[in-house]
Amino acid sequence: GNSVTQMEGPVTLSEEAFLTINCTYTATGYPSLFWYVQYPGEGLQLLLKATKADDKGSNKGFEATYRKETTSFHLEKGSVQVSDSAVYFCALTPNAGGTSYGKLTFGQGTILTVHP
Amino acid sequence: DAGVIQSPRHEVTEMGQEVTLRCKPISGHDYLFWYRQTMMRGLELLIYFNNNVPIDDSGMPEDRFSAKMPNASFSTLKIQPSEPRDSAVYFCASSGGQGMSYEQYFGPGTRLTVT
Repeated sequence: GNSVTQMEGPVTLSEEAFLTINCTYTATGYPSLFWYVQYPGEGLQLLLKATKADDKGSNKGFEATYRKETTSFHLEKGSVQVSDSAVYFCALTPNAGGTSYGKLTFGQGTILTVHP
Repeated sequence: DAGVIQSPRHEVTEMGQEVTLRCKPISGHDYLFWYRQTMMRGLELLIYFNNNVPIDDSGMPEDRFSAKMPNASFSTLKIQPSEPRDSAVYFCASSGGQGMSYEQYFGPGTRLTVT
């Protein structure tokens, strides 16, 4: 079946530090990949996505590249801010067909805390 | 668009009582998902619907939980009777629609406390 594995947290950084959160996946075919962010007390929000190999998703300074050869979708940001403190979830969905069509498989989430 | 709407935002109830959580998905979306989030178990998919039909309810923890989607703009998740271990944040999400994009849009959640 499909699965997503994220690097274990929590991750604590100082403001303006470089961020990497690792994400690897197992899936048949060519899934779409997503990063969601959850700020304290809120629901999950889509941060970025990539739908095919070598696509790069980007938003709010965050980037992730769909690497088919390493089955990875690592999240990066060059300079984090205190306001980036949140929980980050990597997820995938099959692109077509099968009983899981439309259903997201989430990683366990990584807590990021950024200090001033 | 108002996004996914959930009510109530907070619910406190006593063990044994019936609890009903409500969700209005984004207009035009044909998938609806119910999730539960706790510190211990993380984010769990309970059930999801496509075109108002339940597709996968394998995540529903036990018979005390039930979900319905009587029409494309409304869904409920009911717990009867409730137990303290049901305390969690329950999220509703929707996806699909024109262009068949499967990114899910989450509601703000209902924080349930069972005492």
